[in-house]
Amino acid sequence: GEDVEQSLFLSVREGDSSVINCTYTDSSSTYLYWYKQEPGAGLQLLTYIFSNMDMKQDQRLTVLLNKKDKHLSLRIADTQTGDSAIYFCAPLQTGANNLFFGTGTRLTVIP
Amino acid sequence: EAGVTQFPSHSVIEKGQTVTLRCDPISGHDNLYWYRRVMGKEIKFLLHFVKESKQDESGMPNNRFLAERTGGTYSTLKVQPAELEDSGVYFCASSPRPGAVEQFFGPGTRLTVL
Repeated sequence: GEDVEQSLFLSVREGDSSVINCTYTDSSSTYLYWYKQEPGAGLQLLTYIFSNMDMKQDQRLTVLLNKKDKHLSLRIADTQTGDSAIYFCAPLQTGANNLFFGTGTRLTVIP
Repeated sequence: EAGVTQFPSHSVIEKGQTVTLRCDPISGHDNLYWYRRVMGKEIKFLLHFVKESKQDESGMPNNRFLAERTGGTYSTLKVQPAELEDSGVYFCASSPRPGAVEQFFGPGTRLTVL
């Protein structure tokens, strides 16, 4: 298996940037995903990064990957109240089909 | 295109009773996954179907849990008898190929065992 660690809570003011961090243990992880769960809804894939990349930018989202330290982060620029949700980091191990999730980080955006 | 659906959305049962959760994957998705999130903890993998076959059931907690996918379409997850520690949210996901970039998740079934 794989251990995935995330902080449980993060609060930011509307308009500020949010940075959600994640550490994982299996260096063979090929894809690393960020999922978002809004209240009462399922998990929605936000973005992902392939393990041979250091950074991926997608509109307000920036994913940074430090393979050496096995550290993944998700930066949300200009955070909006609609970004309030739980964010899960989920690496996919080489040869595996199932995802390993962290506990999720609950992001609260203060107006 | 309809997404992954799960039924019921909530279930409250007493310890010792039986509950059956249902998942309808996206049409044409051969791969179906069950995950579970116990309160405040991480989401954990339970099992993976490819069509009607169990590809990986290494995450099933014990023999009180039985998953089926007859005909390779919808899947059921039965808990019998339910225990207090089974409370949590059960998620189903589907994908067109194993290890596909995206697994599409359903809204989950919140199970409460009293």
